[in-house]
Amino acid sequence: AQKVTQAQTEISVVEKEDVTLDCVYETRDTTYYLFWYKQPPSGELVFLIRRNSFDEQNEISGRYSWNFQKSTSSFNFTITASQVVDSAVYFCALSDPFLDSNYQLIWGAGTKLIIKP
Amino acid sequence: SQTIHQWPATLVQPVGSPLSLECTVEGTSNPNLYWYRQAAGRGLQLLFYSVGIGQISSEVPQNLSASRPQDRQFILSSKKLLLSDSGFYLCAWSRQGHVNEQYFGPGTRLTVT
Repeated sequence: AQKVTQAQTEISVVEKEDVTLDCVYETRDTTYYLFWYKQPPSGELVFLIRRNSFDEQNEISGRYSWNFQKSTSSFNFTITASQVVDSAVYFCALSDPFLDSNYQLIWGAGTKLIIKP
Repeated sequence: SQTIHQWPATLVQPVGSPLSLECTVEGTSNPNLYWYRQAAGRGLQLLFYSVGIGQISSEVPQNLSASRPQDRQFILSSKKLLLSDSGFYLCAWSRQGHVNEQYFGPGTRLTVT
């Protein structure tokens, strides 16, 4: 069965520290897509990144970077030099095109990130 | 550019009252549309999705229903609210095709008293 696990319920760091959010997924298929979303206190989910299963190159966008490792079924998210504005709940999600309901995203439970000034 | 609107932003309703939440998308055509619910401190639960006008798929049996009367309009309804319906309701859209990311509206905080 398809599943996304975000084992870290809550992480608290001091501003300017680097922080990594873990995401481990399970799927039986070789073709799939992975996503990260940010949910700030306002509530609206913000799309951050989509990665397909054939592209294992790491992605960097400013202070954000993503490490995709198929060997360990992980798609981890690192924030470098964290800032208070990074405080949010972060969700990892999986899209499996071979699901019967293939419009669904399978969501992790989310990791609450607290950045202390 | 595409935008998604949801209203109202907050709502307090008594148990047994009806519900109507509306979501509209601008700047795109024939989107997939989704309704999610998020209980306090919890993850996202997909309630309904739609791939076209009048086409609704339900993921969770409950006293809620959804309708898509127009291409870019998605409505979540209930005839009689339950206390357990309280939560944060999010509407989202994506381009046709399962591999596309979903874009979310600002959400509606519903409290059933």
